[in-house]
Amino acid sequence: DTGVSQDPRHKITKRGQNVTFRCDPISEHNRLYWYRQTLGQGPEFLTYFQNEAQLEKSRLLSDRFSAERPKGSFSTLEIQRTEQGDSAMYLCASYGLADYTDTQYFGPGTRLTVL
Amino acid sequence: AQSVAQPEDQVNVAEGNPLTVKCTYSVSGNPYLFWYVQYPNRGLQFLLKYITGDNLVKGSYGFEAEFNKSQTSFHLKKPSALVSDSALYFCAVAYNQGGKLIFGQGTELSVKP
Repeated sequence: DTGVSQDPRHKITKRGQNVTFRCDPISEHNRLYWYRQTLGQGPEFLTYFQNEAQLEKSRLLSDRFSAERPKGSFSTLEIQRTEQGDSAMYLCASYGLADYTDTQYFGPGTRLTVL
Repeated sequence: AQSVAQPEDQVNVAEGNPLTVKCTYSVSGNPYLFWYVQYPNRGLQFLLKYITGDNLVKGSYGFEAEFNKSQTSFHLKKPSALVSDSALYFCAVAYNQGGKLIFGQGTELSVKP
């Protein structure tokens, strides 16, 4: 499968715990994006990387959230001291500047439930 | 501020009838416009996009969309709906190449036999 993959698909955690999600983009896609989608809403942008550089962060991304893409390939999104309001679907997308499709391709998402 | 509006939370259509899912946007400059579809507990699947050129764009599964600059709209259409088209549809806009996507709130399409 050459699409975007995310792991885990589901995560249930207790309030106050830390969680980490992983995203593997389409091979050779140099841009990687994180979005968050709550029930009944459209996805909201969180942050994006070009290669290993984090180019933009949303104001939605509080200090408890951190994202990395250390080698310009996969990315991780960590949430520290989770709160119930963090319960959402976390979506990853990738985009290739050189593939001329001008399209972000999304992974299946990680659904987080904070109890 | 950049924004996308999908004025209908839900659209109900009989199978075989034409469907339209509406989208309007507020973006300065020349927008990049997209439609994505989401099935339950799944990620977003790309349907079609408008970057430049012909105002009528064709995409996957028989869907098409018409870009109207004067009305700042990008409505999704299909001549003959299928029950399998039932899903959540999102309109999105970016204001530069590879830029972040701004999504509408989504429209639930229900196609009945």
